[in-house]
Amino acid sequence: AQSVSQHNHHVILSEAASLELGCNYSYGGTVNLFWYVQYPGQHLQLLLKYFSGDPLVKGIKGFEAEFIKSKFSFNLRKPSVQWSDTAEYFCAVLRPYGQNFVFGPGTRLSVLP
Amino acid sequence: NAGVTQTPKFQVLKTGQSMTLQCAQDMNHEYMSWYRQDPGMGLRLIHYSVGAGITDQGEVPNGYNVSRSTTEDFPLRLLSAAPSQTSVYFCASSPRKGSSGNTIYFGEGSWLTVV
Repeated sequence: AQSVSQHNHHVILSEAASLELGCNYSYGGTVNLFWYVQYPGQHLQLLLKYFSGDPLVKGIKGFEAEFIKSKFSFNLRKPSVQWSDTAEYFCAVLRPYGQNFVFGPGTRLSVLP
Repeated sequence: NAGVTQTPKFQVLKTGQSMTLQCAQDMNHEYMSWYRQDPGMGLRLIHYSVGAGITDQGEVPNGYNVSRSTTEDFPLRLLSAAPSQTSVYFCASSPRKGSSGNTIYFGEGSWLTVV
């Protein structure tokens, strides 16, 4: 079955701590990978995406993600989080000739001031 | 350019009532979809459409109908609302199926409570 898993349901960090959120997917072959963020009460917004090329992708607000094909992983990182990063983060996968995005269950990030 | 627009933003229904969630996009996207978001379950696909006149079921289609008479609009109908349909609903669109570099764009969500 097609699936996307995210390692943590809820992560709590203090400001300035480093962040890494795990994402693994279960498809073989070529995939497109995404991280979306949902701030409280808002809709999903694209943080970054990987289609091809350099496996280290930089997104908005200082976020980056690394695609490791051998591990079927696309982990999200940020060196120093801020209180404003408190949100829910979703990893998503799209196969290039597929039609539907498959989302992971989400990781809630709480950043303490 | 408004992107993806959903209405209403909030709705309370009684069990057994029917209603339609509206979704419109102005980006000329071929692909549109409806997701529901529930705590701990992420986003689950309800129905999707790859173009006007074409719809198909997603992961959790039961209790919902869709139609796609135009490229712009993709309404979601709840036929007989049940408390299990209490959720946040997101409409989304993306460019043509299969094109490289696809990104999905979301509406702002519709909070539905069925009592």
